[in-house]
Amino acid sequence: KNQVEQSPQSLIILEGKNCTLQCNYTVSPFSNLRWYKQDTGRGPVSLTIMTFSENTKSNGRYTATLDADTKQSSLHITASQLSDSASYICVVRGAGNMLTFGGGTRLMVKP
Amino acid sequence: EAGVAQSPRYKIIEKRQSVAFWCNPISGHATLYWYQQILGQGPKLLIQFQNNGVVDDSQLPKDRFSAERLKGVDSTLKIQPAKLEDSAVYLCASSRTANTEAFFGQGTRLTVV
Repeated sequence: KNQVEQSPQSLIILEGKNCTLQCNYTVSPFSNLRWYKQDTGRGPVSLTIMTFSENTKSNGRYTATLDADTKQSSLHITASQLSDSASYICVVRGAGNMLTFGGGTRLMVKP
Repeated sequence: EAGVAQSPRYKIIEKRQSVAFWCNPISGHATLYWYQQILGQGPKLLIQFQNNGVVDDSQLPKDRFSAERLKGVDSTLKIQPAKLEDSAVYLCASSRTANTEAFFGQGTRLTVV
């Protein structure tokens, strides 16, 4: 069964600190993995997409990594800001363009 | 470029009542999705359209949920009759093709009391 597991479920950090969110998946075959940011009351917005051959990709203060062998991805946020408070959802595209969503990590950045 | 539009933003109904949600995808996007997102969880696909045809509705509770995209553009999702466990955010998303990035609307938050 295709599954995407994210950890931690929730996280509280102080403004300016770094954090890393984890995503483990069992989706096979693998097409790509995308990290979304979902602000409260809004729809998810794509941060970055990782394909099989990519190990690291950055988007500003967000850096995603992918290890296709171990089927793990991480999202690292550097120098967190209050506006980073949101849910971060890992989504894996598999066979037939099926998307499998993780449960998300709820991040709260405190001043 | 305008994003995915959804309405209403919020809806409160009593159980056993009916409700309908509307979605206008990004212009030119052939693929349209409806997702159900229960509080604290990731979105769950209800139905996927390719133009006006259904690609996947395997997780749609067909005894009470229905969706249509008659002209291959706008779509409506209906629940009849609603149950308490239907309380969730209903997200509409669209993509240019089935294997390109999906763009999400702001969602409709449904509360069934």
